[in-house]
Amino acid sequence: AQSVTQLDSHVSVSEGTPVLLRCNYSSSYSPSLFWYVQHPNKGLQLLLKYTSAATLVKGINGFEAEFKKSETSFHLTKPSAHMSDAAEYFCVVSVLSGGSYIPTFGRGTSLIVHP
Amino acid sequence: DGGITQSPKYLFRKEGQNVTLSCEQNLNHDAMYWYRQDPGQGLRLIYYSQIVNDFQKGDIAEGYSVSREKKESFPLTVTSAQKNPTAFYLCASNAQTGGSSYNEQFFGPGTRLTVL
Repeated sequence: AQSVTQLDSHVSVSEGTPVLLRCNYSSSYSPSLFWYVQHPNKGLQLLLKYTSAATLVKGINGFEAEFKKSETSFHLTKPSAHMSDAAEYFCVVSVLSGGSYIPTFGRGTSLIVHP
Repeated sequence: DGGITQSPKYLFRKEGQNVTLSCEQNLNHDAMYWYRQDPGQGLRLIYYSQIVNDFQKGDIAEGYSVSREKKESFPLTVTSAQKNPTAFYLCASNAQTGGSSYNEQFFGPGTRLTVL
């Protein structure tokens, strides 16, 4: 069975400092992995996705993630946090189920950015 | 301007009433999904549909029903059998062409349902 675990429910950083949001996955097959961002009372927006073309994936708003098969991880990073980055972040693994790919979501990490 | 629309944005329901949440997409996507979001629990899958006139239960389908009569539309009915329906509901779609796992989902803005 496939699953995804976000290791921190909350991460707090100061503006201008690096961001690290951790995600581990479990998959019997080569996984498809995604990071989404959700601002309060809004829908989710795709930040980036891993499609096996490159292990380091660059996304929008300066975010990037590195796929590490040996560690079964797909951590999200950003060199310098901005106040507008404060939001909920979801790591997602796409699971093959009954011939279709069904996304499975982590529980989310709330990023808090202090001035 | 392509995307997914959900209506209403806020919905209030009295206990014992059924309510229907609307989801429409003009992205020509085959697959559509309904999720429920509660604080600290991420998104949980209620129902999904890969094609018109077909849909499957997700992890928490009890107390909910759906239909998929048109490719663009995937309404969700929250029935009186759902004991704790207060939550944020999100609709999503993706293009499942060729069975690719790389297609990301596109989300609507959500409907917040409150039971009075």
